[in-house]
Amino acid sequence: NAGVTQTPKFQVLKTGQSMTLQCAQDMNHNSMYWYRQDPGMGLRLIYYSASEGTTDKGEVPNGYNVSRLNKREFSLRLESAAPSQTSVYFCASSAGLAGATYEQYFGPGTRLTVT
Amino acid sequence: QQQVKQSPQSLIVQKGGISIINCAYENTAFDYFPWYQQFPGKGPALLIAIRPDVSEKKEGRFTISFNKSAKQFSLHIMDSQPGDSATYFCAARRRTGNQFYFGTGTSLTVIP
Repeated sequence: NAGVTQTPKFQVLKTGQSMTLQCAQDMNHNSMYWYRQDPGMGLRLIYYSASEGTTDKGEVPNGYNVSRLNKREFSLRLESAAPSQTSVYFCASSAGLAGATYEQYFGPGTRLTVT
Repeated sequence: QQQVKQSPQSLIVQKGGISIINCAYENTAFDYFPWYQQFPGKGPALLIAIRPDVSEKKEGRFTISFNKSAKQFSLHIMDSQPGDSATYFCAARRRTGNQFYFGTGTSLTVIP
């Protein structure tokens, strides 16, 4: 039982390049989330998917797109990376509305640097 | 606009002392208030959580105090240990969409 997995762990991009961050969970959770973590800013929600087939913007969605590929997988795409997107990105999942607990489980993070 | 305000930003406590971290919120649609612990290089992990129909919840050395009328909640770590040195985040869940809002974090250092 791996929980929430993220790939890659580290990535360096040049301004204007694109990339996709991958996330998968094996807990049969309904809800999945993408956060970014910056010093002094806490965790800010980029996009979330309350259930399979739905996605919604969070607090800081500009410059990102997401795909809920199936119940297990939720990817985050940067179409044209900017230095302001240098951050640590975390994927999380929770059982969701149908679950007995609201606990979120986090992946290990992807450290992204845009030069 | 920060939905959940957390203080202090950093905290230094002697071993055996009590660590207290505070959070405040405005949105009455929040219905679940967790605290997460994060060690360097790791993702956050749930420490303890409370629902607004309860004023206090205790798990071992960790206690959440919840004041619904003041829209405030706090984490108390009793008998703080060096192994508790980490960053702590409070959060709040909005019922609609199962969306979570996080505080800005508190870096706790427990000195031996």
